[in-house]
Amino acid sequence: AQTVTQSQPEMSVQEAETVTLSCTYDTSESDYYLFWYKQPPSRQMILVIRQEAYKQQNATENRFSVNFQKAAKSFSLKISDSQLGDAAMYFCAYKSGNQGGSEKLVFGKGMKLTVNP
Amino acid sequence: DTEVTQTPKHLVMGMTNKKSLKCEQHMGHRAMYWYKQKAKKPPELMFVYSYEKLSINESVPSRFSPECPNSSLLNLHLHALQPEDSALYLCASSPFPGQLTDTQYFGPGTRLTVL
Repeated sequence: AQTVTQSQPEMSVQEAETVTLSCTYDTSESDYYLFWYKQPPSRQMILVIRQEAYKQQNATENRFSVNFQKAAKSFSLKISDSQLGDAAMYFCAYKSGNQGGSEKLVFGKGMKLTVNP
Repeated sequence: DTEVTQTPKHLVMGMTNKKSLKCEQHMGHRAMYWYKQKAKKPPELMFVYSYEKLSINESVPSRFSPECPNSSLLNLHLHALQPEDSALYLCASSPFPGQLTDTQYFGPGTRLTVL
């Protein structure tokens, strides 16, 4: 079974600085999809960014980018120019490429990001 | 319309009550999901409806009963709940169930308290 590990339960960053959130996963599959979701204190889970395992190019969405290292099974999220609104729980998630398991997301335990003004 | 809506936002119920949670999406998505989330924990999958058929039931107690009347609507019927069932209940939808590129989009959740 696949597992997702977010080893840092909490991090803090100064406003306008850059922070990197780590995520590692374990799988024997070659095709899969990876996600970062953000859940602010208002609670709605929002998709931040996604990465297809067969694409070597790292995904980027405005201030958010990933460092996807397939061989190392690492999928870190970099937030540039941090803003107060980035404060949230961040969840890394894995989705299998296999037909039978592709409807399930395997979540990491989450990481709480605090942004200091 | 690009969102998943859930009602009510908050619900307090006794252990003998019967209540329902409602989720709607009008994005044409073909899969809908129920998750349970405890504070500071990741969501736990409960049920998945794919093309209006129940495709996944994660061994959820029978006091939780899902219903998918049509492709846009998902209900979760609650009966004889326990205090430990108090949690945030999240609904999600996705456009292409079974496909690698399928992505889930979440609603704001219903905060359930069982007294």
